[in-house]
Amino acid sequence: RKEVEQDPGPFNVPEGATVAFNCTYSNSASQSFFWYRQDCRKEPKLLMSVYSSGNEDGRFTAQLNRASQYISLLIRDSKLSDSATYLCVGGNYGGSQGNLIFGKGTKLSVKP
Amino acid sequence: DAGVIQSPRHEVTEMGQEVTLRCKPISGHDYLFWYRQTMMRGLELLIYFNNNVPIDDSGMPEDRFSAKMPNASFSTLKIQPSEPRDSAVYFCASSLGWGLAEFSTDTQYFGPGTRLTVL
Repeated sequence: RKEVEQDPGPFNVPEGATVAFNCTYSNSASQSFFWYRQDCRKEPKLLMSVYSSGNEDGRFTAQLNRASQYISLLIRDSKLSDSATYLCVGGNYGGSQGNLIFGKGTKLSVKP
Repeated sequence: DAGVIQSPRHEVTEMGQEVTLRCKPISGHDYLFWYRQTMMRGLELLIYFNNNVPIDDSGMPEDRFSAKMPNASFSTLKIQPSEPRDSAVYFCASSLGWGLAEFSTDTQYFGPGTRLTVL
């Protein structure tokens, strides 16, 4: 039973394109959501948290839709350096029941 | 800061052998997490510690896996006996806190991982 689902891709896009990833989660009690970036054969690194009101960080915008239980990541003006796998994370922090569930990731390849 | 340190970076062993993975969290971080990543199952939380005490080990696959944290700067994940299906990348991560997602102190910082191959 996988609680966080992502399209594995790969998404192949040209430089400068806008690309969007969606991720669905099954646990309606989930409170915390993130996007992580993982380069090939490297460790995951936090890209951004996803807040209820949505949030933006430069070319990256994250949105949360609780009613439909999905989160999204929008990358504008994509760069070659954006090529990586993007992991969607959902769950709950804290205590003995705290657990963050990672999706398997969506692979992005930005071409010149 | 050197970040989360893991050793070894690569481990190749034969089925039935004992494997010990090591982790040094970022100094001052109170939480330490062990994850396993495979192509089939993605990234899975195995166990996490708070102030050296195991809080949730429900992700540990079976009794062959054990984890310890004897002090604030060191943790081990042991597999005994190892099996080919244990082949994966094992990540250790640490964080200052484990409360609300909006707090930057709760960001998990991952180590470079140990790539384990069991033949």
